[in-house]
Amino acid sequence: GQQLNQSPQSMFIQEGEDVSMNCTSSSIFNTWLWYKQDPGEGPVLLIALYKAGELTSNGRLTAQFGITRKDSFLNISASIPSDVGIYFCAGLSGATNKLIFGTGTLLAVQP
Amino acid sequence: NAGVMQNPRHLVRRRGQEARLRCSPVKGHSHVYWYRQLPEEGLKFMVYLQKENIIDESGMPKERFSAEFPKEGPSILRIQQVVRGDSAAYFCASSPPGYSLNTGELFFGEGSRLTVL
Repeated sequence: GQQLNQSPQSMFIQEGEDVSMNCTSSSIFNTWLWYKQDPGEGPVLLIALYKAGELTSNGRLTAQFGITRKDSFLNISASIPSDVGIYFCAGLSGATNKLIFGTGTLLAVQP
Repeated sequence: NAGVMQNPRHLVRRRGQEARLRCSPVKGHSHVYWYRQLPEEGLKFMVYLQKENIIDESGMPKERFSAEFPKEGPSILRIQQVVRGDSAAYFCASSPPGYSLNTGELFFGEGSRLTVL
């Protein structure tokens, strides 16, 4: 089946640092999404990417859809304590019309 | 979470009992998706339904699990004869009619956390 490998698994950083995480796949996706999940909550959509090569920003977040359509990265600049949570990438398969989620990156921010 | 309502938020069952999880999609949405999240793992697709139709149930275990989305009322995920391995968070997401592959924006509920004793 389709798999998304997300790295790193976890990050422990100081407030104010920049963060980068990425997601790779063995399959091509038509759409890449990045979600954030707080403890005990459902995933909340952060950024959606629809075209290969696309670079999109949402405040301090920037994400890119890889040219090969098999990868994506998410950057967070000037991290703050409320950035703490688990970040998931998700790829939308055109063949199956369902989202495939990555394994998640746990982000901890030290004030 | 744009109005997807799930209940109960927490459910405790003993082995062998039945669990019923309900999902009311965003008003006007006709597509529902169920995902399961085991502790410290990502979300795994289970089933995709439209009103009165199961479109894709490739992620759902063949036994004990069933899902429905009737013409009226919420979508139900039903787990019969629960076992400890069923303990997980179950998330529902919905999307509108004419859902486009180019949007991909699924709205998730806050999840139902099942604990099997």
